[in-house]
Amino acid sequence: GNSVTQMEGPVTLSEEAFLTINCTYTATGYPSLFWYVQYPGEGLQLLLKATKADDKGSNKGFEATYRKETTSFHLEKGSVQVSDSAVYFCALIKNTGNQFYFGTGTSLTVIP
Amino acid sequence: ETGVTQTPRHLVMGMTNKKSLKCEQHLGHNAMYWYKQSAKKPLELMFVYNFKEQTENNSVPSRFSPECPNSSHLFLHLHTLQPEDSALYLCASSQDRAGTAYNEQFFGPGTRLTVL
Repeated sequence: GNSVTQMEGPVTLSEEAFLTINCTYTATGYPSLFWYVQYPGEGLQLLLKATKADDKGSNKGFEATYRKETTSFHLEKGSVQVSDSAVYFCALIKNTGNQFYFGTGTSLTVIP
Repeated sequence: ETGVTQTPRHLVMGMTNKKSLKCEQHLGHNAMYWYKQSAKKPLELMFVYNFKEQTENNSVPSRFSPECPNSSHLFLHLHTLQPEDSALYLCASSQDRAGTAYNEQFFGPGTRLTVL
């Protein structure tokens, strides 16, 4: 089946710290991979995506590389800010279908 | 502004009540979705509508009844819910579900539902 597993939170970091949120997936075929972010009181917003192996998605200082050999799509940011506090969701969609599969979400809190 | 609005933002209802959630998208999209977000669980896709036609119903209990009168509006009618149905209900839309592998989905802010 298709599924996404991401690291459990909550994660608490100091401002300017390095962030990694792990995400691994199980899928048949060649999925596209996404990171969505949910700020308090809001819906999910697309943060970045990658549609094939070795692609790197990036946005707002966040990056994730599609690693087919390790079935991973880890989210990284070199220096987090307080405004990055949110819940982050890893997701996949199969290229032969249109259903999204989301992880459980990882809550990030950045303290000054 | 995400282009997808949901009302109400918060709803408290008893198990015998009937209520409806409303979603509206201003993006000209053709596909709309209902998701259930519960703590510690992945988002659960409930229903999908494409060009006003329901294309997926992921084994959702009949106490949840969707309605899509046009491509811009989506409703979720609720009746005789259970306390375990308390969750955040998210609406989303995408350009065109059919034939495209990776449509970005745009989400509304959600309705926080509490069933007493």
